[in-house]
Amino acid sequence: NAGVTQTPKFRVLKTGQSMTLLCAQDMNHEYMYWYRQDPGMGLRLIHYSVGEGTTAKGEVPDGYNVSRLKKQNFLLGLESAAPSQTSVYFCASRRDGGYHNEQFFGPGTRLTVL
Amino acid sequence: AQKVTQAQTEISVVEKEDVTLDCVYETRDTTYYLFWYKQPPSGELVFLIRRNSFDEQNEISGRYSWNFQKSTSSFNFTITASQVVDSAVYFCARISGGSNYKLTFGKGTLLTVNP
Repeated sequence: NAGVTQTPKFRVLKTGQSMTLLCAQDMNHEYMYWYRQDPGMGLRLIHYSVGEGTTAKGEVPDGYNVSRLKKQNFLLGLESAAPSQTSVYFCASRRDGGYHNEQFFGPGTRLTVL
Repeated sequence: AQKVTQAQTEISVVEKEDVTLDCVYETRDTTYYLFWYKQPPSGELVFLIRRNSFDEQNEISGRYSWNFQKSTSSFNFTITASQVVDSAVYFCARISGGSNYKLTFGKGTLLTVNP
């Protein structure tokens, strides 16, 4: 049981390049989330999904797209990377909509955009 | 937006001191949950505790304790006899159904425990 995994762990992009971050969970969780963490800002929600085939915008969605084609995977895409997207990205999942369910986090992806 | 405020950006203590991390939350909901997460220097986020809005009992787990007071909208976290391994960023977070069960995080408190 690997929990939540993220690929890749590190990435350096040039401005304008595109990339996709992959999040995978093996806990059969319904809900999945993408956050970004910046110094002094805590974690901010980018997009989330409440089930396979569904996605919704979070607090800071601009410049990102997501897809949830399979229940276990949640992809975060950057179509044209900008230096402002330099951040650490965390994926998380939770079992379902019950209040008490905690979110399980992946190890993070450190992205640098030059 | 209903915020979670961690007023202490950084705290530095000497080993064996007790330290309290403050968390104040805003919510218009009657049902909600509060969480604390720890982020050690290695970077992963570790779940510590959850507390629901109907349970104001304090909780103690080893050297950790949590004080939840609805009257002041606070959910404070105390580490007793701190150790160097407690050095981390600690995040307080809130979830409520009206937000589609999204976690709202505070900005975190960096705790440094010096030997």
